[in-house]
Amino acid sequence: SQKIEQNSEALNIQEGKTATLTCNYTNYSPAYLQWYRQDPGRGPVFLLLIRENEKEKRKERLKVTFDTTLKQSLFHITASQPADSATYLCALDNYGQNFVFGPGTRLSVLP
Amino acid sequence: SAVISQKPSRDICQRGTSLTIQCQVDSQVTMMFWYRQQPGQSLTLIATANQGSEATYESGFVIDKFPISRPNLTFSTLTVSNMSPEDSSIYLCSVGVAGIYNEQFFGPGTRLTVL
Repeated sequence: SQKIEQNSEALNIQEGKTATLTCNYTNYSPAYLQWYRQDPGRGPVFLLLIRENEKEKRKERLKVTFDTTLKQSLFHITASQPADSATYLCALDNYGQNFVFGPGTRLSVLP
Repeated sequence: SAVISQKPSRDICQRGTSLTIQCQVDSQVTMMFWYRQQPGQSLTLIATANQGSEATYESGFVIDKFPISRPNLTFSTLTVSNMSPEDSSIYLCSVGVAGIYNEQFFGPGTRLTVL
């Protein structure tokens, strides 16, 4: 069965450092991999999408890589700020079918 | 983008009763999804609701327990039937907007507590 793992349940880093979150999957061949941010009491908010034929995607301080051989995506937040503290979810998508979310990583950026 | 609202935002219900959650979108969308998020857990897809056809349920979810309506392109309801404490969860609707890489826009969620 499909399985998605995110590197850790919680990650603490110092302000200004780069946060790196990992998403690994098995028994799945996604066409897209997406990253969402979820704040307490709110629905997830879309951040970035990367396609299976793309290696890297950037948006402001965010960078996502996608290695279909390793079945892994890395999500980086550079120059992290306390406002970046949230739960980050990866999600796999196969053209709108079999949309599956990972368990999430709770990031805390300490001032 | 799409703006999604849900009603109610939260409710406390008695065992054995049913609750209907409404999801309203500010634009016409083809795909709507219903998720469940149990405390401290990630999102689990319950069903996909496309207008004009019956909802498609994921493994472990059945229509008798979670009937869904999709009367038009801007509205959907999810009913949680014959509730038990195990149904206590946050229920979220989301929409997929065609042409934007399948990203999903989520509503704020409905926090359900079953006593």
